[in-house]
Amino acid sequence: DSGVTQTPKHLITATGQRVTLRCSPRSGDLSVYWYQQSLDQGLQFLIQYYNGEERAKGNILERFSAQQFPDLHSELNLSSLELGDSALYFCASSVEKVGADEQYFGPGTRLTVT
Amino acid sequence: QKEVEQDPGPLSVPEGAIVSLNCTYSNSAFQYFMWYRQYSRKGPELLMYTYSSGNKEDGRFTAQVDKSSKYISLFIRDSQPSDSATYLCAMGSYGNNRLAFGKGNQVVVIP
Repeated sequence: DSGVTQTPKHLITATGQRVTLRCSPRSGDLSVYWYQQSLDQGLQFLIQYYNGEERAKGNILERFSAQQFPDLHSELNLSSLELGDSALYFCASSVEKVGADEQYFGPGTRLTVT
Repeated sequence: QKEVEQDPGPLSVPEGAIVSLNCTYSNSAFQYFMWYRQYSRKGPELLMYTYSSGNKEDGRFTAQVDKSSKYISLFIRDSQPSDSATYLCAMGSYGNNRLAFGKGNQVVVIP
C-alpha cells in the first residue's frame, strides 16, 4: 500500500458526459501528479500540482482539468468524454525533495466510456 | 523517436532464472532512473531508483545505468512466480519532475 488513495475504483459512463476523479496523496506529500495509462500509449503524464498550484503540464487535453485543494487532495475533471478516453487514470504523490523525485502511485481509477 | 523505448514483448522464464529487462532513452537531460513494478489491475510500485551510472543492488534486484549509451537495465535474480508482473522503466531530470515511462515489459515466471 503506497498511502495514495483514489476514488472511485471503477467508473462507467457515456460519451459526452463529465466525471471527476479524486486523489488523496501520502501524508506529508505536497506534490500530486496525474497520469493516464492506455494499452497503446503506456503511462502518460497529464499534470502536476504542488501545494495547490499547477506546476507542470503534459499531454493533457483541453477537455480535462485538475485542481489541488488546501487539504492537498486533488481532483481530475474529464468532460465531453469520448470513447478514446477509456483508460486507467493514476494519481501519484511525492514530497518533491531536491534531487530525484520518487513518485508513489495510487491504485488507479478505471474509466470506461461507452 | 520516443523519449523512452522499452520492448513491450512478454517474457516467460522458468522459476529461478535471471530476468533481464532494459530501456533506452534519447533525452540526455535525464538524470535519474527508476523501475516500477505493476501487478495486474494495480498501481505501479516503485522498485528501485538510481542517479548515476553503474550498478545498484537491492536484494534480488540490480539496476544498471549506462549514461554514455543511454541504456538502463534491471536484473532479477532467482526469479519467483510472485515476480510475475509488468515492469516499467521511468526517468526524469532535476527541476522537471514529470517522469517519462517506457511502455512496460510483461514478465511471467513459470513455477
